[in-house]
Amino acid sequence: AQTVTQSQPEMSVQEAETVTLSCTYDTSESNYYLFWYKQPPSRQMILVIRQEAYKQQNATENRFSVNFQKAAKSFSLKISDSQLGDTAMYFCACSNDYKLSFGAGTTVTVRA
Amino acid sequence: GAGVSQSPSNKVTEKGKDVELRCDPISGHTALYWYRQSLGQGLEFLIYFQGNSAPDKSGLPSDRFSAERTGGSVSTLTIQRTQQEDSAVYLCASSRGGDNEKLFFGSGTQLSVL
Repeated sequence: AQTVTQSQPEMSVQEAETVTLSCTYDTSESNYYLFWYKQPPSRQMILVIRQEAYKQQNATENRFSVNFQKAAKSFSLKISDSQLGDTAMYFCACSNDYKLSFGAGTTVTVRA
Repeated sequence: GAGVSQSPSNKVTEKGKDVELRCDPISGHTALYWYRQSLGQGLEFLIYFQGNSAPDKSGLPSDRFSAERTGGSVSTLTIQRTQQEDSAVYLCASSRGGDNEKLFFGSGTQLSVL
């Protein structure tokens, strides 16, 4: 079983600035994957970035990057050059095989 | 289809009534999931299908909840004798079926039980 904790219910950032979202997880598995999903007001969850636990190199996807600290079981998401379209709820998730376990989410608001 | 389709988008029902929620996954996706998202909460796993079988039903909260999938495609989540605590967004997702695959989500059904 996995548990995922997001300790920041809400974050606010000025357009073009950088914001970092925290996530910690706990799993007994040795092989697992970590994800960040974005949920805009449309409710449709969209994959932002994925990290394989056995890879030490941090994943990046355009303006989105992660800081994966395996020993600390930490998986933070950095959004650079924030845009108004980044306003959404962000969920951290951990998977082993087929099942994803999600954190409670962080609402990010980008201010013009 | 182009994406995961869920219907209805919104459903208002009276306590005690039965409801059916439908999910049409991406064509060719063998894995299908149902999640529940209560207000301001994360996603709670309900059930996982691989093809037409459900190897993991561990997240269904009570025997009032059931789900089926036919033809390896469309899935229906049924809630019998709805209660107010069933009010939530019910999200469906599908994937190609491999382990740790990217999930493609629908826009969910907002269920309100009065």
